[in-house]
Amino acid sequence: RKEVEQDPGPFNVPEGATVAFNCTYSNSASQSFFWYRQDCRKEPKLLMSVYSSGNEDGRFTAQLNRASQYISLLIRDSKLSDSATYLCVLIRKRGSQGNLIFGKGTKLSVKP
Amino acid sequence: DADVTQTPRNRITKTGKRIMLECSQTKGHDRMYWYRQDPGLGLRLIYYSFDVKDINKGEISDGYSVSRQAQAKFSLSLESAIPNQTALYFCATSESGPYNEQFFGPGTRLTVL
Repeated sequence: RKEVEQDPGPFNVPEGATVAFNCTYSNSASQSFFWYRQDCRKEPKLLMSVYSSGNEDGRFTAQLNRASQYISLLIRDSKLSDSATYLCVLIRKRGSQGNLIFGKGTKLSVKP
Repeated sequence: DADVTQTPRNRITKTGKRIMLECSQTKGHDRMYWYRQDPGLGLRLIYYSFDVKDINKGEISDGYSVSRQAQAKFSLSLESAIPNQTALYFCATSESGPYNEQFFGPGTRLTVL
């Protein structure tokens, strides 16, 4: 089983829709989780961290389920500008350090 | 001005040529990273450096070497490029510590013919 798995999509949704992505991970020792956003042919950028208690940033909500080993990203009231690839990222801790492990990404396309 | 810059942005080269990709940052971060991104494979770590004297191999270091010339500069070399090294290469930086956000450069698109 791959360390981080995401549905590649594409998810094609109309403006205003609510869309959710899941990401599963296999290593229960994974310490921290993030969602990064990557626009076409651009660099990834941090969208939000994922906390055990769940966290919200405007239209975006991230949740972590350690028991089932998945994280989720919910986008409400989708905008055209939300079209991008969303990367699930976890940190595999090694001693006092950690390496980021990236999922392959889920592509979202928001249509007018 | 961009905090993390990469040169060149695009490069086409031939099999067997030596190529150097350069990365500079003005964020004052100690840590720097090189990744490659291939369609369908996601981002994979090539090398990383926690400071000027600490360089480590990542997941896919074979065929690559790096040099950390200064805190702000981290270069990636392909000693003898081969076609399967055609990819999008990203440099990234972060503060020290295991849980910090990584900031990426704009990427270098490398094509090896």
